[in-house]
Amino acid sequence: NAGVTQTPKFQVLKTGQSMTLQCAQDMNHEYMSWYRQDPGMGLRLIHYSVGAGITDQGEVPNGYNVSRSTTEDFPLRLLSAAPSQTSVYFCASKETAQNIQYFGAGTRLSVL
Amino acid sequence: DAKTTQPTSMDCAEGRAANLPCNHSTISGNEYVYWYRQIHSQGPQYIIHGLKNNETNEMASLIITEDRKSSTLILPHATLRDTAVYYCIVRAFNDYKLSFGAGTTVTVRA
Repeated sequence: NAGVTQTPKFQVLKTGQSMTLQCAQDMNHEYMSWYRQDPGMGLRLIHYSVGAGITDQGEVPNGYNVSRSTTEDFPLRLLSAAPSQTSVYFCASKETAQNIQYFGAGTRLSVL
Repeated sequence: DAKTTQPTSMDCAEGRAANLPCNHSTISGNEYVYWYRQIHSQGPQYIIHGLKNNETNEMASLIITEDRKSSTLILPHATLRDTAVYYCIVRAFNDYKLSFGAGTTVTVRA
């Protein structure tokens, strides 16, 4: 089982560059979400989606865009990267029966 | 979501049981206790959850006090691979968001 797959694993950007962090899940989960984790801190919710075509903001959405065109994919877009966005990004999907979230391995992003 | 309080860190000897406490004195009647862990540089991993009854699975046991104001996660035979940050999270069943606090850093020593 692939579960939740994130690409790339590592990325270095220059300030002002744009990029898309990819997230795909093969468990047919309706709910997906993006978190960021800064050193020594817990995860903070960026955006989430309760199904294809439906997205909403989490607690730290500024500087990030999302879309959900399919159940499987939930990409996170940085339109103009800033050093404050240097972080580890985790994507997760959630099954509804037990309300359990499954996380990807993360994308480590550095913005110079 | 109810706030949780966990010790910052704890050590455990390999092969011994690790008992991780969590206080959640403001928990509501419809809120569950979930435990996740995060091994260094990996994504968080679900361990176990419960409402009011004690629960056990292949990874751990969860003991919830009768008043539900605290709980204990038990790793029955800790191994070096159990070294991780353990998060106790209280949430309503249909709540979308996981609120991760600082967690407990557990170090299993040989």
